[in-house]
Amino acid sequence: DAKTTQPNSMESNEEEPVHLPCNHSTISGTDYIHWYRQLPSQGPEYVIHGLTSNVNNRMASLAIAEDRKSSTLILHRATLRDAAVYYCILKLYNTNAGKSTFGDGTTLTVKP
Amino acid sequence: EPEVTQTPSHQVTQMGQEVILHCVPISNHLYFYWYRQILGQKVEFLVSFYNNEISEKSEIFDDQFSVERPDGSNFTLKIRSTKLEDSAMYFCASSYETLNEKLFFGSGTQLSVL
Repeated sequence: DAKTTQPNSMESNEEEPVHLPCNHSTISGTDYIHWYRQLPSQGPEYVIHGLTSNVNNRMASLAIAEDRKSSTLILHRATLRDAAVYYCILKLYNTNAGKSTFGDGTTLTVKP
Repeated sequence: EPEVTQTPSHQVTQMGQEVILHCVPISNHLYFYWYRQILGQKVEFLVSFYNNEISEKSEIFDDQFSVERPDGSNFTLKIRSTKLEDSAMYFCASSYETLNEKLFFGSGTQLSVL
């Protein structure tokens, strides 16, 4: 499986933007980049995904580097509810694409 | 938004006993999954299921595990003879397709094997 690398932890102040980086230097041209998060004591929750272009939805934005070897999840105004573990996952085209391999993720702490 | 429902939320069992974990995926979804998370560790893939058969399984999913979609709405995970190391949170997930589609996860069943 193609690997992703994320910082173990990040901190943010409430109502400030947060940029969560992910490196995926071995990504293939048809692999999708997915982001999930896991709030304490809950199941993973979909955040956003993309292939090549930047993506926006009501939760976040996804900025994908031109060479696709890295991406950044952007939370525009962090709230206390955004404190969670954020996972960057590659959906590999040449395997059972439903399988998602979760790494260690980034633990985001939001300070009031 | 539609939800994946898992029952029970907590299950306590004795080592060696059989357990069945229940999931009701989202109704029009076609792909179904089980994941597990041992306390303090990563979310691990167990198995994926499509068109009434297993499409992929991990090394964890050995002969003690089985999955079934008995009636077109439920999706179950059975552990035949539980071990202490099976204690974990088990998450069911579903999706309409695979590559360009998000997974919907349930809130999990906490399995404790004593």
